[in-house]
Amino acid sequence: DAGVTQSPTHLIKTRGQQVTLRCSPKSGHDTVSWYQQALGQGPQFIFQYYEEEERQRGNFPDRFSGHQFPNYSSELNVNALLLGDSALYLCASSLYGYSGNTIYFGEGSWLTVV
Amino acid sequence: GQQLNQSPQSMFIQEGEDVSMNCTSSSIFNTWLWYKQDPGEGPVLLIALYKAGELTSNGRLTAQFGITRKDSFLNISASIPSDVGIYFCAGLPGAGSYQLTFGKGTKLSVIP
Repeated sequence: DAGVTQSPTHLIKTRGQQVTLRCSPKSGHDTVSWYQQALGQGPQFIFQYYEEEERQRGNFPDRFSGHQFPNYSSELNVNALLLGDSALYLCASSLYGYSGNTIYFGEGSWLTVV
Repeated sequence: GQQLNQSPQSMFIQEGEDVSMNCTSSSIFNTWLWYKQDPGEGPVLLIALYKAGELTSNGRLTAQFGITRKDSFLNISASIPSDVGIYFCAGLPGAGSYQLTFGKGTKLSVIP
């Protein structure tokens, strides 16, 4: 039973570029959330997708956008990259409507903006 | 964005000692979660708490959901070297929201 898988593991981008990160949820899960974790900080909620729609959004600018596909996998897109976007991006999958112990995290994608 | 107040920020303890850490919030949460994160990996759930006053154990770990719903505590007994890592508390507000709010983490170092 595969857990949450994310790709790529590491990537380096230049300021102003765009990036796409990918996530496949745990088998049986239908909901994907994205978090940004800056160095030395706890994860910050970006947004959540369920039934291919953005259901909740944290305090992040419109440069951050996402998509969920019919197979429940998801993408996170960040446009016009800033140096401050350098962080670990975590994908969490869960079962919509169920309690906190169904939330599983992937190992993350390390983004460095230079 | 909002982060929970987690303390201490870091701890150095001798192997075999007990550890306590806590988390406080200005907001009420209906669910409290405790995670451990090892370097280069995502957070792994340790304990989930769903009811005010609830005390739950998972092996050497014990966590409590504060009666005010604004705080939670995690205790680790008889620490071992593999307990090293960063521990995060997280809260879920409930009422249809699945947005986790995390603390800044407690970095635990265990001296053999």
